[in-house]
Amino acid sequence: QQQVKQSPQSLIVQKGGISIINCAYENTAFDYFPWYQQFPGKGPALLIAIRPDVSEKKEGRFTISFNKSAKQFSLHIMDSQPGDSATYFCAAYFSGTYKYIFGTGTRLKVLA
Amino acid sequence: DGGITQSPKYLFRKEGQNVTLSCEQNLNHDAMYWYRQDPGQGLRLIYYSQIVNDFQKGDIAEGYSVSREKKESFPLTVTSAQKNPTAFYLCASSTGPATNEKLLFGSGTQLSVL
Repeated sequence: QQQVKQSPQSLIVQKGGISIINCAYENTAFDYFPWYQQFPGKGPALLIAIRPDVSEKKEGRFTISFNKSAKQFSLHIMDSQPGDSATYFCAAYFSGTYKYIFGTGTRLKVLA
Repeated sequence: DGGITQSPKYLFRKEGQNVTLSCEQNLNHDAMYWYRQDPGQGLRLIYYSQIVNDFQKGDIAEGYSVSREKKESFPLTVTSAQKNPTAFYLCASSTGPATNEKLLFGSGTQLSVL
């Protein structure tokens, strides 16, 4: 019940295309859902996050869509660029605890 | 600039040896964490600490030990009991379990076995 399932494992997108990464969770106690971007040899960096009281959050080319009833959330990268090539992790968190649950990651490659 | 500093960036361990990974933060964060990252897997929690002189085991604590003698420091020791230590180790910190906390990561230490 504490798993976060992330798909796909890898993704190849043409420059200018839309990259979509999906995550699903089971425990409805999660109330904060961040996405992290990680470049090779670096630590993950917080990209964007959402709470379940909204269905969508947009920051620049990055959008989180949240479906509370389906217990799913997704990251959309519009106008994907080669510089977006990285591994993306979704996560779920219980406020009031110290525990983040991470997905297994999606390796994105954007072709020039 | 505030941030999380991990050292060394690369570390090699000999058979039967204990090694210590350093993590320092100047963000005045109360909570600190250690995660292990293996290729194709998510981040797995090793230990976390909410305040000085207190820490709790995460999901994969066996073969590891930590200390939290200062707020800004949370070193991780990989002991000889950890039979498969090769991985990328990430230290993180946050303000605490407030509603808007953000988990921030260091740049990682790659540990390999000789």
